[in-house]
Amino acid sequence: EDKVVQSPLSLVVHEGDTVTLNCSYEVTNFRSLLWYKQEKKAPTFLFMLTSSGIEKKSGRLSSILDKKELSSILNITATQTGDSAIYLCAGASGAGSYQLTFGKGTKLSVIP
Amino acid sequence: DTGVSQNPRHKITKRGQNVTFRCDPISEHNRLYWYRQTLGQGPEFLTYFQNEAQLEKSRLLSDRFSAERPKGSFSTLEIQRTEQGDSAMYLCASSPWGQGPSANEKLFFGSGTQLSVL
Repeated sequence: EDKVVQSPLSLVVHEGDTVTLNCSYEVTNFRSLLWYKQEKKAPTFLFMLTSSGIEKKSGRLSSILDKKELSSILNITATQTGDSAIYLCAGASGAGSYQLTFGKGTKLSVIP
Repeated sequence: DTGVSQNPRHKITKRGQNVTFRCDPISEHNRLYWYRQTLGQGPEFLTYFQNEAQLEKSRLLSDRFSAERPKGSFSTLEIQRTEQGDSAMYLCASSPWGQGPSANEKLFFGSGTQLSVL
């Protein structure tokens, strides 16, 4: 059975701090690793990673995949209160449905 | 592009009643997925459609659950004889499968329908 584990499950930081969120995966026929941000309801897409060692960046957020270690990290620098959300990591299987197996998420709270 | 739309946003029902949710995907997306999310958990896959064909169902989808996508556009998810354990957020997602090398697994989610079974 496919499994994705995220750590920590929750994190409280002050504005301006840098945070690192972790994700490890065991996904059959692994194809890619995705990160989503869930604020109120709809998870919104952040990154999709398919190749090891190539960092993807978007503003203050960046992510990298390590296929040897079956893991990924999401970094957020200079955090803002608007970064407060649940960050979901998902592994995509390349077989059939391309369904995503999600972790439980990391709840990030950024306090002023 | 108005994104994935789900209705209703909230549904409160009594145990034993039937409920139906609707999902309107992004118009050019040919794949549609249903996921369920409970508090403190990530979304769990329920089923998906390629156009109007339902191609896979999770073992989480008991026979009280049925999903349709009759014309390959909007989809409905019906739960019959609801139980308290059905209380969850039901998320719909769509993707432009086959429309590019990175398109298949990049899912766009709706805001979900929050179901509460009393």
